[in-house]
Amino acid sequence: QQQVKQSPQSLIVQKGGISIINCAYENTAFDYFPWYQQFPGKGPALLIAIRPDVSEKKEGRFTISFNKSAKQFSLHIMDSQPGDSATYFCAASMRSSNTGKLIFGQGTTLQVKP
Amino acid sequence: SAVISQKPSRDICQRGTSLTIQCQVDSQVTMMFWYRQQPGQSLTLIATANQGSEATYESGFVIDKFPISRPNLTFSTLTVSNMSPEDSSIYLCSGYSGNEAGDTQYFGPGTRLTVL
Repeated sequence: QQQVKQSPQSLIVQKGGISIINCAYENTAFDYFPWYQQFPGKGPALLIAIRPDVSEKKEGRFTISFNKSAKQFSLHIMDSQPGDSATYFCAASMRSSNTGKLIFGQGTTLQVKP
Repeated sequence: SAVISQKPSRDICQRGTSLTIQCQVDSQVTMMFWYRQQPGQSLTLIATANQGSEATYESGFVIDKFPISRPNLTFSTLTVSNMSPEDSSIYLCSGYSGNEAGDTQYFGPGTRLTVL
């Protein structure tokens, strides 16, 4: 299975709150899991990424939690700000395939209310 | 990091015509990809642009409809041929550079196409 399932489809969070977006995959050959952030009228930009040999990666207010046995990973945005309002995509790829292809989740539209 | 530009940024075209979108990367990348994104939707991979050879198309996309060129490591074009209103979408190109330090796919700003 090549799908990556993402939830929720949309999310509204108060300023200062925690935003959590979840993704699940089936293909155990996936070995690279990036998150992309996309603002209206712009292309997606890499936010943070993780490999399956670690369970968590943190960069500033953004954290990826990875559960290899459950084949799930999630993005946590701490102290959410109105400037974080955007669409977030999880993705997965197989570095071993050497194709560079990414399989994207369906996307989550985040709105952070002031 | 790589900076990717696309031209045009948007266009309105008539049914039955063709549009060529250009993608320029400011540094050499291993691979280049073309995606389609409907407003509010996820990204769908159209094809991998191969340097000096025919592009590799994903299921549901064919060369006659979406001819792609990649004459060198920093430039690619996607043509949307014989357009219909169903082709109205955002078309994105990306560049990929993979190495032991990391895998990053950089995206252009997209071309918003409206077909009347």
